[in-house]
Amino acid sequence: AQRVTQPEKLLSVFKGAPVELKCNYSYSGSPELFWYVQYSRQRLQLLLRHISRESIKGFTADLNKGETSFHLKKPFAQEEDSAMYYCALKGLKGQNFVFGPGTRLSVLP
Amino acid sequence: IAGITQAPTSQILAAGRRMTLRCTQDMRHNAMYWYRQDLGLGLRLIHYSNTAGTTGKGEVPDGYSVSRANTDDFPLTLASAVPSQTSVYFCASSPMAVSSYNEQFFGPGTRLTVL
Repeated sequence: AQRVTQPEKLLSVFKGAPVELKCNYSYSGSPELFWYVQYSRQRLQLLLRHISRESIKGFTADLNKGETSFHLKKPFAQEEDSAMYYCALKGLKGQNFVFGPGTRLSVLP
Repeated sequence: IAGITQAPTSQILAAGRRMTLRCTQDMRHNAMYWYRQDLGLGLRLIHYSNTAGTTGKGEVPDGYSVSRANTDDFPLTLASAVPSQTSVYFCASSPMAVSSYNEQFFGPGTRLTVL
């Protein structure tokens, strides 16, 4: 079965500090992994996906198949990064996404 | 271009009442989805539709029904609302049902309270 876990419900860091939001998954095949973000009073939107190997707003995420992880990282957090972050998985043979429970990131001044 | 819209924005509903949440997209996306968002549980898929005329059950379909008469609209109906259906409901759409570069686009959400 597909499953996504995000162990931290809330993560608080100071501005300028590094941040890592953890995501682990279980899936029997080759998954596609995503990070979605929801800023205050805005709709959920795609932040990045592992297949693109891109850096968005300074965030990166590397798929580690050995550890079944897709942690989101940023070397220097900004206050505007404060938001709810969801890790999501999609099987390549299926169309449905499975979302993790989410981590609320709070960047303190 | 509106993208994907939902109505109403919020609703308070008495238990036992019937309620339909509306979702419309103008992006000509094939696939559409309904999720509920609950604290600590994240987003859970209720129902989905790969193309107009087809629907499927997600993780938590009980108490909900959907229809997909055309490409643009994907209403979600609660036949007889119960307090456990109090949640924030998100509609989403994506261009194709199966794609390596798929992305879901989300609506603004509907906050539903069942008393």
